[in-house]
Amino acid sequence: DQQVKQNSPSLSVQEGRISILNCDYTNSMFDYFLWYKKYPAEGPTFLISISSIKDKNEDGRFTVFLNKSAKHLSLHIVPSQPGDSAVYFCAASALPGGGADGLTFGKGTHLIIQP
Amino acid sequence: AAGVIQSPRHLIKEKRETATLKCYPIPRHDTVYWYQQGPGQDPQFLISFYEKMQSDKGSIPDRFSAQQFSDYHSELNMSSLELGDSALYFCASSTRQIAKNIQYFGAGTRLSVL
Repeated sequence: DQQVKQNSPSLSVQEGRISILNCDYTNSMFDYFLWYKKYPAEGPTFLISISSIKDKNEDGRFTVFLNKSAKHLSLHIVPSQPGDSAVYFCAASALPGGGADGLTFGKGTHLIIQP
Repeated sequence: AAGVIQSPRHLIKEKRETATLKCYPIPRHDTVYWYQQGPGQDPQFLISFYEKMQSDKGSIPDRFSAQQFSDYHSELNMSSLELGDSALYFCASSTRQIAKNIQYFGAGTRLSVL
């Protein structure tokens, strides 16, 4: 039972345009969400996170939006750059306040930025 | 900045052998997590330790055990290896001094069981 779902295995976007990666979750206990970026042969790299008390968090070119009623979040990358080509994982946690709970990951979306 | 260090990076074992993976967290991080990522799969949480005590347990097989030592490094011990144990094993670390569960990952150990 996949509690975090990324329904697009891959996404191709032209350089300079906006990339939008989507993520849905089913577990109502999740209240902290993170996006990770992964290159081949490397570990996931933390990008940005959002707590359920917010609906938006922005960090440079990356913005995460959370729609708690729809159990949906999205990562926007503007403008997209060639170095953004990677696999992006959505992850969720039920303990935002410094707990040691493991993260539940989606299956990832492979973002390809076309020159 | 120092990152999470995992060793070895690659490991080849035969069925029924044992393996030990090591993880050195970011300095001053007090929590360590282990994940398993099979081919084409998402990382699956195995187990975590906070201040040398087991904190949370995920889908870790009974054949696996782990511990966190006084210097905060952690080891994942895997016995009676099976072909299905072939995967990438990630370690991550975090600190409760920052009120966010942001986990920082190492580069992983690729285990191949033949």
